[in-house]
Amino acid sequence: DGGITQSPKYLFRKEGQNVTLSCEQNLNHDAMYWYRQDPGQGLRLIYYSQIVNDFQKGDIAEGYSVSREKKESFPLTVTSAQKNPTAFYLCASTNPDGGYGYTFGSGTRLTVV
Amino acid sequence: GESVGLHLPTLSVQEGDNSIINCAYSNSASDYFIWYKQESGKGPQFIIDIRSNMDKRQGQRVTVLLNKTVKHLSLQIAATQPGDSAVYFCAEEGTDKLIFGTGTRLQVFP
Repeated sequence: DGGITQSPKYLFRKEGQNVTLSCEQNLNHDAMYWYRQDPGQGLRLIYYSQIVNDFQKGDIAEGYSVSREKKESFPLTVTSAQKNPTAFYLCASTNPDGGYGYTFGSGTRLTVV
Repeated sequence: GESVGLHLPTLSVQEGDNSIINCAYSNSASDYFIWYKQESGKGPQFIIDIRSNMDKRQGQRVTVLLNKTVKHLSLQIAATQPGDSAVYFCAEEGTDKLIFGTGTRLQVFP
């Protein structure tokens, strides 16, 4: 079945540590996105990529980094520069001319310990 | 408009009643709108979409209404069920990305 997979589902990070969240899709979608969601709040865009080897900052990119070396994969690194990383992270993908918006992954819950 | 991290408004409805969730969008030139449903601990799921050349679109128990004059979008859920309890987001097509609304939490009580 085609879909978008995020891993791990739960992740714990020590302060000062970098961690990488995985996002893989087999939908042949060109564009991929990372969102952050804090408890009881909406979605905020971190980074997005419309094509391999290219990506753009979203609204809250500080303290995060991404890469897009393959069409299927768009990993997000939460760096030590992100002072408040505890949140629910969502990855999404789409084709720019698609008629059904984004397909979302099931999310990764990151907690700083 | 853009999600700015505000706490979610809540709509409480009795099981079996109809629910109406509202959303204001920002760009009068937006051509495409979507409603998503997000259950606790999960990613958002597509519910229904509508293009700007339509005023109304119906799905199974859901209807989306678009009022371009006042830039307003609504989602109507008929005969609301406990399984409808979730957060609902509207989204409008922006440049290179969707722009999500703040979201509304729907609580269904017996």
